Amino acid sequence: GDSVTQMEGPVTLSEEAFLTINCTYTATGYPSLFWYVQYPGEGLQLLLKATKADDKGSNKGFEATYRKETTSFHLEKGSVQVSDSAVYFCALRVRGGSYIPTFGRGTSLIVHP
Amino acid sequence: GAVVSQHPSWVICKSGTSVKIECRSLDFQATTMFWYRQFPKQSLMLMATSNEGSKATYEQGVEKDKFLINHASLTLSTLTVTSAHPEDSSFYICSARDSPDNEQFFGPGTRLTVL
Repeated sequence: GDSVTQMEGPVTLSEEAFLTINCTYTATGYPSLFWYVQYPGEGLQLLLKATKADDKGSNKGFEATYRKETTSFHLEKGSVQVSDSAVYFCALRVRGGSYIPTFGRGTSLIVHP
Repeated sequence: GAVVSQHPSWVICKSGTSVKIECRSLDFQATTMFWYRQFPKQSLMLMATSNEGSKATYEQGVEKDKFLINHASLTLSTLTVTSAHPEDSSFYICSARDSPDNEQFFGPGTRLTVL
């Protein structure tokens, strides 16, 4: 079946540090890949997405590149801010069937001033 | 992006009572709505999928008689937790989409605490 594996958190960084959150996947078909962000006490917001191999999704300084050869979609940001503290979920969705996303377990990011 | 609202944002109730949570799509017609449950520091667990005008499809292990889902219109779905107990305390999140090809939009969540 389809699955998403994320690095365990929490990831703790100082402000302006470089961020990488690893995400790998297995899928029965050709998936679209997503990163969602959940701020404390809130629901999920779509952060970025990529629908085909080598596509790069980007938003708010975050980037992730769809790597089919390594089945990965790692999230990166060059300089994190305290306001980026949140839980980040990697997800995939395969065409056909129910089109329901499969989520990773989430990675908590804590950014200190 | 499209907006999905949930009401209430938090609720505290006594054990044995029932609680209703509303999920609304504010600017699109949600042919499909989803209900998730999230435990502290864990991922989302899909509870059920509902299509407007049809009975909800529940995931394995989710009690359909305990978690009643109604999707009577294209903009409203409700989750009723019947005879709530402390173990039902959780963060409940709904999401909605207008078609399978399109993105799911998530509500802000409802924190349920059962005393």
